[in-house]
Amino acid sequence: GAVVSQHPSWVICKSGTSVKIECRSLDFQATTMFWYRQFPKQSLMLMATSNEGSKATYEQGVEKDKFLINHASLTLSTLTVTSAHPEDSSFYICSARLTGGYQPQHFGDGTRLSIL
Amino acid sequence: EDQVTQSPEALRLQEGESSSLNCSYTVSGLRGLFWYRQDPGKGPEFLFTLYSAGEEKEKERLKATLTKKESFLHITAPKPEDSATYLCAVQAQAGTALIFGKGTTLSVSS
Repeated sequence: GAVVSQHPSWVICKSGTSVKIECRSLDFQATTMFWYRQFPKQSLMLMATSNEGSKATYEQGVEKDKFLINHASLTLSTLTVTSAHPEDSSFYICSARLTGGYQPQHFGDGTRLSIL
Repeated sequence: EDQVTQSPEALRLQEGESSSLNCSYTVSGLRGLFWYRQDPGKGPEFLFTLYSAGEEKEKERLKATLTKKESFLHITAPKPEDSATYLCAVQAQAGTALIFGKGTTLSVSS
């Protein structure tokens, strides 16, 4: 149980294009989903917290106009990297948490984004 | 400031050589401490949640323990397939975001 699916797993695109990443909770409903960025040999850096039906909460230093987050249903959140540039190249990981108490977050397998 | 520190950064073991990973934390009211395993190019895989000092959890060769200041992940008789980065994270009372340590990269050779 508690499976999170993330797509695509790898994307390469040209500078200036926008890229959408999907995060789905397959066997549970998640009122809260999270988006992280991870640099090589570094730990996870929280970018934003996404709540179903409301605006995402972004961490300090994360550009909300660059990283658009939509959480339209209890099982789907999307991250769109707009007008991507090489410095946006990274490993992006989403997670979802079951409701109730202090439940663990369950993570997707990440998306490797490479901007040429 | 809430903080999580993991040690050592890297650990090399021979197959069957037991050891422990450390996670020290300072948070304003611990609500939960989480252990994850992360393989290269993958997202973290949930292992354990610990909620209060004295609590212990076990899964196969792994055992997690918790005190008021730190948590240990004990690995008994490790196998090469246990090689991975182990992440510790805490959830503090004030917010909902997890605070991650930088991880311990474990390499087990046969």
